[in-house]
Amino acid sequence: EPEVTQTPSHQVTQMGQEVILRCVPISNHLYFYWYRQILGQKVEFLVSFYNNEISEKSEIFDDQFSVERPDGSNFTLKIRSTKLEDSAMYFCASSEGMWSDETQYFGPGTRLLVL
Amino acid sequence: DAKTTQPTSMDCAEGRAANLPCNHSTISGNEYVYWYRQIHSQGPQYIIHGLKNNETNEMASLIITEDRKSSTLILPHATLRDTAVYYCIVRVPGDNAGNMLTFGGGTRLMVKP
Repeated sequence: EPEVTQTPSHQVTQMGQEVILRCVPISNHLYFYWYRQILGQKVEFLVSFYNNEISEKSEIFDDQFSVERPDGSNFTLKIRSTKLEDSAMYFCASSEGMWSDETQYFGPGTRLLVL
Repeated sequence: DAKTTQPTSMDCAEGRAANLPCNHSTISGNEYVYWYRQIHSQGPQYIIHGLKNNETNEMASLIITEDRKSSTLILPHATLRDTAVYYCIVRVPGDNAGNMLTFGGGTRLMVKP
């Protein structure tokens, strides 16, 4: 069964450093998403991406965040200058389309710890 | 997305059916009901979704009331591995909100031996 994969599973970084979280969506999916979950809190939407453009972003997704699909398989989330409060689980998701089958399938997540 | 209300926690005996309720009294006519679950801190796992009719798949059944103001997710024979937080989400496929999922607090289901 196809699944979303994410690397790394864990990332520890120093405050102010840049991190790139990677995701490989399900191969025939066209819509990609990032969510995050701070420990003990709800899963929060960050951004959605389609056709090499951001289609929607939340207030959390400020100028420190960016997303990219650098090739035909990867989808990345970059945090330019990490803050302590960026420590969270980051989940990538993908969906086949917007009009037919909209189910979003999630990856296992990357646990980011900012020291 | 319409707001949903779920009990904070529930217990279920292993092997018994787990019935997880969800209230969505402000749901609109074209909003689907989706269920996901999250085991520990793993990624949310899709379970099932429906619009009006009851739905069943290999994981669960979804019962939606006729007025669509509430629904119940049924795990027919709960196992210890079904211990998780279950999220009920209502949303409109393809709306201009970028297809985001809005997660609430969910129901923490504890399956006990």
